[in-house]
Amino acid sequence: GAVVSQHPSRVICKSGTSVKIECRSLDFQATTMFWYRQFPKQSLMLMATSNEGSKATYEQGVEKDKFLINHASLTLSTLTVTSAHPEDSSFYICSARSDDPALLPRSGNTIYFGEGSWLTVV
Amino acid sequence: QKEVEQDPGPLSVPEGAIVSLNCTYSNSAFQYFMWYRQYSRKGPELLMYTYSSGNKEDGRFTAQVDKSSKYISLFIRDSQPSDSATYLCAMSGVGGGADGLTFGKGTHLIIQP
Repeated sequence: GAVVSQHPSRVICKSGTSVKIECRSLDFQATTMFWYRQFPKQSLMLMATSNEGSKATYEQGVEKDKFLINHASLTLSTLTVTSAHPEDSSFYICSARSDDPALLPRSGNTIYFGEGSWLTVV
Repeated sequence: QKEVEQDPGPLSVPEGAIVSLNCTYSNSAFQYFMWYRQYSRKGPELLMYTYSSGNKEDGRFTAQVDKSSKYISLFIRDSQPSDSATYLCAMSGVGGGADGLTFGKGTHLIIQP
C-alpha cells in the first residue's frame, strides 16, 4: 500500500510552453501533498505544500504564478510549469501524506514519495 | 549557514566495509529525522525514520540521532555494491513531515566490488 504515482516520468517541452505534471496517491487519500525540485547533484528543495481544496503554500523564492499547483481531490495534485524556460529544467518530485491510521506503518512515517518527473525545456 | 549540512562525497569504500554517513543541522525545532536512498533519476526511498535522540536499527542499517550536538548518522554494515546510491538525510519539526521535509544535499556512496 501507500503508492504515489507521478506522470509523466519524462517530458521535453519547448521554451515558452506550459507543462503539467500529475501526482496521484493510488491507494490512499492524501490530505497534504508536497512538491519538490531537485537540480543535478543538489538536494530536494521544497517548492510548495498543498492541501485538498485550498490554495497551495509556496516556499520563499518560488513564483506562484509560474508554478501553478492544483490539489483538486484527495488523490490528485498537479503542478503546471507555465511559460517554461531552460532554467526550469529539473527533476520534480511529489510526496503525499496520509492521515489514515490503518496505513500508519511501524516506523511512524506517513510521507510517501513519487518516482519523480524529469522536465527538459529546450 | 544552511539548515542541514551533508558532505556530498563521493564516498568510495570496498565491499563489506562499514559505511558512516552523517548530517549536521542548525534548527533545534527538528524532532523527526529520516534517511532516504536515491538511485540515479529515481524518487527517494525511505530507509530509516526516527524521533528525537537515540539509536534505531533495521537489518544492516543503524540510525543515530544526537540532538544535543545536532548531529545524525547512518551506519551501513556489510556494505554491498547494490548499496551504491545517494543517501539523503531529511528532517522535520512536525510528526509525519506535515510541514514538509528539509533535506541535506545527499552523499554519493560508491561500494567497490
